[in-house]
Formats: sequence, C-alpha cells, structure tokens
Amino acid sequence: DTGVSQDPRHKITKRGQNVTFRCDPISEHNRLYWYRQTLGQGPEFLTYFQNEAQLEKSRLLSDRFSAERPKGSFSTLEIQRTEQGDSAMYLCAFLKRFNTDTQYFGPGTRLTVL
Amino acid sequence: GQNIDQPTEMTATEGAIVQINCTYQTSGFNGLFWYQQHAGEAPTFLSYNVLDGLEEKGRFSSFLSRSKGYSYLLLKELQMKDSASYLCAVKNDYKLSFGAGTTVTVRA
Repeated sequence: DTGVSQDPRHKITKRGQNVTFRCDPISEHNRLYWYRQTLGQGPEFLTYFQNEAQLEKSRLLSDRFSAERPKGSFSTLEIQRTEQGDSAMYLCAFLKRFNTDTQYFGPGTRLTVL
Repeated sequence: GQNIDQPTEMTATEGAIVQINCTYQTSGFNGLFWYQQHAGEAPTFLSYNVLDGLEEKGRFSSFLSRSKGYSYLLLKELQMKDSASYLCAVKNDYKLSFGAGTTVTVRA
C-alpha cells in the first residue's frame, strides 16, 4: 500500500462529457506524475509537477486535457469533451521522500467513454 | 525517440525459472526499472538498475548491460501469484518510458 489514493477508481461517461480525476499523495511527495495506460500497453507519460509547478506536458496531452496541483498537495486531471479514445487507466505516480529515483504508482482511475 | 522491446507473452510451470528480456534504444538513460502489474491493478515496483550487473532481491533478480542496451528480469521458484504483466521502463531525467509489458502465465 503506497498510501496514495485516486478518486474515482472507475468512471463511465458518455462521449462529449467532461470528467475530472483526483490524486492525493502523501504530503511530503513534492514530485507528482500523471500517466495514461491503454489496454495491452505500458503507461505513457502525460505530465509532471514539482510542488505546484507543472514542468512538462507530453504531446499526448491535447488541449482537451488540463492538470493542476494547487498548493503542491493533491492534483487533478480534467478531460473536456471526452472521446472514445480517452478510455484508459489514468495513473498518478510520485517519488518517496528519501528515494528520488523510484516512481510509485497510485491505484489508478479506470475511464470508459461510451 | 524511445524504443523499448520485450516479448509479449511467456508461459512457465510453477516452481520453474523464467527470464524476461528487455532491449532499449532511448535518447537518454538514468536507470532501468522493472514493475509487476496484475490485471486491473496499478504497476508495483520490483527492481532498479543504474549500473551494469546483477541486482538480486529474493526470488527476483534483474540484470543490466548499458553498452548493449539490454536488461533481463529473472523470476525463480515461480508461484501462481507471479502470473502478471512485467513492465520494463527506462528513466530519462525525470520521466519513465515503458515497454508494452510481458504477460507471464504460471501453470500448475
């Protein structure tokens, strides 16, 4: 158990709707990552935060996607006007305080777009 | 670009040994990770190699050759609970690039 929670764990939505996911890491995790994983593939990097600053966004993160990390604590990932191709597992990951090499993953949010 | 290759599937018998190979060609390298992922769950960390050689951790060992762009994960004394996908990932600066994963099926 990594102590990280993601909410919701499952989300079913209709195409065109907006969805928002939340990741709650332990307070001392200053670096937080978002990945997306589709069936049969490994996770793909989306974006990452150092405290509240968003330092990089992948080209996978189209203008329909936005991520925030207010006050450097929890983070949200919003997808606007969802498409069927957005169906995936959305994972947040973080570095532990005294181990800045290894990324540990939260339980993920499974999104299904109908 | 990043190119990370690993076999799609492997099958082995309970109690046996299985070796999962991973080859990579990446624009940068700061270490290689192996993760285990059971169906419907998040990846869990298994091992990390940054220098050449073998790292042993219980029933799992991981090997790295940076000059050859090659790593393997060795699973010994296989148990049914080891049936899962095993992901090879290369760290470049701050982010991970993953292979597609190798599904290992352990048969009784």
